[in-house]
Amino acid sequence: DQQVKQNSPSLSVQEGRISILNCDYTNSMFDYFLWYKKYPAEGPTFLISISSIKDKNEDGRFTVFLNKSAKHLSLHIVPSQPGDSAVYFCAASEGGSNYKLTFGKGTLLTVNP
Amino acid sequence: GAGVSQSPSNKVTEKGKDVELRCDPISGHTALYWYRQSLGQGLEFLIYFQGNSAPDKSGLPSDRFSAERTGGSVSTLTIQRTQQEDSAVYLCASSLVNRGTGELFFGEGSRLTVL
Repeated sequence: DQQVKQNSPSLSVQEGRISILNCDYTNSMFDYFLWYKKYPAEGPTFLISISSIKDKNEDGRFTVFLNKSAKHLSLHIVPSQPGDSAVYFCAASEGGSNYKLTFGKGTLLTVNP
Repeated sequence: GAGVSQSPSNKVTEKGKDVELRCDPISGHTALYWYRQSLGQGLEFLIYFQGNSAPDKSGLPSDRFSAERTGGSVSTLTIQRTQQEDSAVYLCASSLVNRGTGELFFGEGSRLTVL
């Protein structure tokens, strides 16, 4: 039973355009959500997070949107750059912090020059 | 270095053998986590250590898996009598528990291949 789902295994966009990565969850107890980015042969690195009391969090080119009623969140990258090409993992936790994250399977983003 | 260090980076073993994977967290981080990523899957939580508290072992897939954290720092994940389904990348992470962002700092992982 997958509690965090990333239904698109891959996404390809042109440099300069917007990348939108989607994530759905089923556990209504999740109250904290994070996005991690992973390059090959490296560990995941934290990108951005959002608490369930918010519906948007922005950090530079990265914005995360949370729709609690739909149990859906998305990561927007604008403008996309070739260096953004990586696997993006959505993760969620209960209890408002970083304890025991539940991860999705990831989406491979390719940004073409 | 200043990051989470894991060793070995690659381990190939025969079915039935025991393996030990080591994690050296970021200095001062009180929380330490082990996750694993099997082929085509997301990261799967295994175990969580926080200070001197009893670890949360709820993610360990079987009693062949165990982990310890000595002196609140270095951790070792041990897999006994390895099976082919244990093949995965084992990732260690550490964090400051009270950080509001919930950020985990991951190591580069130990890739385990069981033949």
